[in-house]
Amino acid sequence: GDSVTQTEGLVTLTEGLPVMLNCTYQSTYSPFLFWYVQHLNEAPKLLLKSFTDNKRPEHQGFHATLHKSSSSFHLQKSSAQLSDSALYYCALSDPTGGNNKLTFGQGTVLSVIP
Amino acid sequence: GPKVLQIPSHQIIDMGQMVTLNCDPVSNHLYFYWYKQILGQQMEFLVNFYNGKVMEKSKLFKDQFSVERPDGSYFTLKIQPTALEDSAVYFCASSLAGAGAETLYFGSGTRLTVL
Repeated sequence: GDSVTQTEGLVTLTEGLPVMLNCTYQSTYSPFLFWYVQHLNEAPKLLLKSFTDNKRPEHQGFHATLHKSSSSFHLQKSSAQLSDSALYYCALSDPTGGNNKLTFGQGTVLSVIP
Repeated sequence: GPKVLQIPSHQIIDMGQMVTLNCDPVSNHLYFYWYKQILGQQMEFLVNFYNGKVMEKSKLFKDQFSVERPDGSYFTLKIQPTALEDSAVYFCASSLAGAGAETLYFGSGTRLTVL
C-alpha cells in the first residue's frame, strides 16, 4: 500500500537558519503530494501541494519540489521564523481515485528558538 | 479562511457506551471525511462521505462506527459500543470536490478518551 515517511520527529532550529523537513513516499501510482501544517491547538491546514515533477510550489516562504525519481517532497524555507513552530505533515493522495483519501506521514515538529 | 468546527474538543466516556462526535463542515462543501490519530502515530483515514453515502472506508472503520449528515446539519461519527482502542483524536474534514488534488479543510479534532 501507499506510505509516507517523515524521518524526523522533532527539528529544533535557531531563528534565521534554513529549514528542511524530509518527506519520502511509496506509491504504486503517481500521487499528489501535500504539506499540511498544524499550529498548537489549531486545525491542520494546507501549506502547499504538487503533482508535477520538478515543479516548486511556494507559500508563506516555504517551498517543496516533487522529485519523482527519488520519491521525495522535502519542505524548505530559507530562514526560519518563531511563528513557523508547528507540526508539519507530509501526505499523498491518489490522482486516479475519486475519493480524495490522504495518506499521512507521522509528522515533524518544528521548534524555532530565538 | 474556511473553518470546520468540531464539537466537543474533548470527550471522556466509559467503555461500552455510545458516543457521537459532531462536525460542522464548510458550508458549501460536498465531501466529508473522518480521520483517526492515536497518540504518537500518524493520522489515518477512516471514511469519506458524499451525497448521503459512504464512498470509501478503511479497515479502521469497524462495524461499530457509523456516519451520517441528516438534512445538511452536522456530519457525525457515531461509535456504538465504544472500546478502549477507540481512544484517539478524531479529525473531521471537508472539501468542495472529491478529486485527488482537492484541498481538505480540517477541524481541530475531538480527543476521545474511553475508560
